[in-house]
Amino acid sequence: DGGITQSPKYLFRKEGQNVTLSCEQNLNHDAMYWYRQDPGQGLRLIYYSQIVNDFQKGDIAEGYSVSREKKESFPLTVTSAQKNPTAFYLCASSNKGRLTEAFFGQGTRLTVV
Amino acid sequence: GQNIDQPTEMTATEGAIVQINCTYQTSGFNGLFWYQQHAGEAPTFLSYNVLDGLEEKGRFSSFLSRSKGYSYLLLKELQMKDSASYLCAVKGSGGYQKVTFGTGTKLQVIP
Repeated sequence: DGGITQSPKYLFRKEGQNVTLSCEQNLNHDAMYWYRQDPGQGLRLIYYSQIVNDFQKGDIAEGYSVSREKKESFPLTVTSAQKNPTAFYLCASSNKGRLTEAFFGQGTRLTVV
Repeated sequence: GQNIDQPTEMTATEGAIVQINCTYQTSGFNGLFWYQQHAGEAPTFLSYNVLDGLEEKGRFSSFLSRSKGYSYLLLKELQMKDSASYLCAVKGSGGYQKVTFGTGTKLQVIP
């Protein structure tokens, strides 16, 4: 079945450590996105990528890094520079055409202690 | 840039109809989405409007007016399971068709 997979679902890390969240899609979508969601809040865009080896900062990119070496994969690294990393992280993908929605992974809940 | 506004919370009665509004100001526009999100879960797609007018899909309908920067999601025959957050999102135009979300409207359906 085609879809978008995030792993793990729950992740715990100590403060000061970098952590990488995985996102893989087999939908052959061109675009991939990372969003952050805090309790009771909407989705805020961290980074997005339209093609391999290219990505753009979203609204809250500070303290995060990404790579897009393969069309299927768009990992997100939460660095120690991110001051409030505890959040629900959602990855999404879509095609570049107008008539396509974004499909979401199940999300990763990151807790930094 | 893009700015999207939705009411924060709404309450409606089971069996009734509720309308959730969304207004947006964007530098480019390539469509507007509505998503449903239950607490702790990923958003699921409900509708996508590109042209002006009403799109109906079962109990859910979505309306778009591009000239007014306005959309609404209409939910009919409300059920308890419709209690969720409803997110409005706009897809930009140009080479990078960024999808930007509003903060969402938390709908509570009461008996």
